[in-house]
Amino acid sequence: GAGVSQSPSNKVTEKGKDVELRCDPISGHTALYWYRQSLGQGLEFLIYFQGNSAPDKSGLPSDRFSAERTGGSVSTLTIQRTQQEDSAVYLCASSLVFRASGGQETQYFGPGTRLLVL
Amino acid sequence: AQTVTQSQPEMSVQEAETVTLSCTYDTSENNYYLFWYKQPPSRQMILVIRQEAYKQQNATENRFSVNFQKAAKSFSLKISDSQLGDTAMYFCAFMKLWDSNYQLIWGAGTKLIIKP
Repeated sequence: GAGVSQSPSNKVTEKGKDVELRCDPISGHTALYWYRQSLGQGLEFLIYFQGNSAPDKSGLPSDRFSAERTGGSVSTLTIQRTQQEDSAVYLCASSLVFRASGGQETQYFGPGTRLLVL
Repeated sequence: AQTVTQSQPEMSVQEAETVTLSCTYDTSENNYYLFWYKQPPSRQMILVIRQEAYKQQNATENRFSVNFQKAAKSFSLKISDSQLGDTAMYFCAFMKLWDSNYQLIWGAGTKLIIKP
């Protein structure tokens, strides 16, 4: 596609419910990132996928958070038993990583999903 | 560990003026990337400009340019002839080059308001 897309755009849920957020990266991009942005704050890294390698989950705040990437393309971020402090904008980004050179390309972002937990 | 500091929480200038946003970072790395991203109220994070640390020449993109001072670990963004559409949050970000983690380390952001 032309850019990174995310769905839904907005999600309101009740405390304790599970939510799934979806990210479609730019076609051909091998790297995919999830970030969380709380109101008025910078971005907090959550998880990183690169090709078929094991994901870097070092940023996930708790075991209620998980993510998967199917077929090296679409990714789903799942938050189980949501809490009010999970309310934030969840941003997805993708990049084309040149392994051979060791360099990393620019990350391109989706429009984000605004999650509100009541 | 790397850190990125944006010391100006908010700035406001008149349309057509020039404005400079500051960013400093702390790292022991020699090779890395630096980025400025813009986030308007639509919340879409948009790349404004990027700089490779091994390049001495400052990056420019139309009205946007950077002043990269590697020794001082400073990476300021200059916006010339500012426009109303430049109103947004601006984030400075750092990325190590030869690193399997590929994380962007973000500053807290500067809210820029362009007044008509």
